[in-house]
Amino acid sequence: ETGVTQTPRHLVMGMTNKKSLKCEQHLGHNAMYWYKQSAKKPLELMFVYNFKEQTENNSVPSRFSPECPNSSHLFLHLHTLQPEDSALYLCASSQEEKLQGQPQHFGDGTRLSIL
Amino acid sequence: QKEVEQNSGPLSVPEGAIASLNCTYSDRGSQSFFWYRQYSGKSPELIMSIYSNGDKEDGRFTAQLNKASQYVSLLIRDSQPSDSATYLCAVPPSGTYKYIFGTGTRLKVLA
Repeated sequence: ETGVTQTPRHLVMGMTNKKSLKCEQHLGHNAMYWYKQSAKKPLELMFVYNFKEQTENNSVPSRFSPECPNSSHLFLHLHTLQPEDSALYLCASSQEEKLQGQPQHFGDGTRLSIL
Repeated sequence: QKEVEQNSGPLSVPEGAIASLNCTYSDRGSQSFFWYRQYSGKSPELIMSIYSNGDKEDGRFTAQLNKASQYVSLLIRDSQPSDSATYLCAVPPSGTYKYIFGTGTRLKVLA
């Protein structure tokens, strides 16, 4: 149990569907992150929220829309995805984004498959 | 473009041997370094962090940092089959708090 919970664990959707990924952290952290993990590629940072404010959008296509209603919850809304978006989506949290050397704690991820 | 490089493996070692995993990074100003272990289908789990040149030991794990040569290593002593996983190196470049991850090294410990 990492203290970071992601749902659903698996998601299969068509290219025209709309779905959302959810992340919740129970660690009292103030920074939350979305990463994409594809086979044989490094983890790619997508978005960062620090104290509910978005501080990073790493050139992510607009078909991915994040939402952070409070420091404990993070969503990733998905709309008209492409087959190349199939990947493992990982959520992470840390004490605060701007503290150097802070470890990040990861959830188990959502395995997303686009048909 | 800041980079973190790892050999993707697989690195196969017999049970009881020392496994040596290496990571090089491009930003000479980086100050913190992390090793994560990721079992198939599971989340990356932090196993070591190191901030100063030299060795840092935690149980069977030793992290080694050499800033002059820009590499960080992870040694696993008395390797067990349960150590079989992918090991990810993460390095925030200087002036930023965001991790750059390597592709990971897959370790296989053979019983």
